[in-house]
Amino acid sequence: DGGITQSPKYLFRKEGQNVTLSCEQNLNHDAMYWYRQDPGQGLRLIYYSQIVNDFQKGDIAEGYSVSREKKESFPLTVTSAQKNPTAFYLCASSIAVGSGSPKNIQYFGAGTRLSVL
Amino acid sequence: DQQVKQNSPSLSVQEGRISILNCDYTNSMFDYFLWYKKYPAEGPTFLISISSIKDKNEDGRFTVFLNKSAKHLSLHIVPSQPGDSAVYFCAASGAGAGSYQLTFGKGTKLSVIP
Repeated sequence: DGGITQSPKYLFRKEGQNVTLSCEQNLNHDAMYWYRQDPGQGLRLIYYSQIVNDFQKGDIAEGYSVSREKKESFPLTVTSAQKNPTAFYLCASSIAVGSGSPKNIQYFGAGTRLSVL
Repeated sequence: DQQVKQNSPSLSVQEGRISILNCDYTNSMFDYFLWYKKYPAEGPTFLISISSIKDKNEDGRFTVFLNKSAKHLSLHIVPSQPGDSAVYFCAASGAGAGSYQLTFGKGTKLSVIP
């Protein structure tokens, strides 16, 4: 089955620790995205990548880092610099980046819930 | 400043009736609009979309209406079913720089009462 797989489903972070959230897709999509959702809030963009070895900051990139070494994979690291990491993290992908195009429909994984110990 | 607003945090509808979810936007550069449905502890699922060159798009029980002059769109679900109970997010993308990005509203929680 084609789709987006996020792991783990639940993750706990100790103070001062970096943690990495995994996102893999087998949809052959070029673009991938990371969002954060807080209770009662919409989705806010952390980072996105249009192509392998390229990525751009979104609205709330501080305290996060990403890499895009393979088309299928876009891991997100929550660093110790992120002082309020508790949230639901969502990874998404789309066929391509485009303007006003169905290609821009983003498909989401099931999410990772990160909590601080 | 919120560019996509869903002013109703929640909505309750009787099974079989019509559900109408509303969304307003402020950025006139937005030219593509999407609705997503989200169950608790799951990722959003794409539901339906509309381009700014249209004013209506229909897919089964779901219809999205776009009023560009009012910068307003709505999602109609007819007839509503208990399985439709979820949080619905409106999202928009725009032409030019930043066209990749989806800007989301805060969501409306729909409860369909059997």
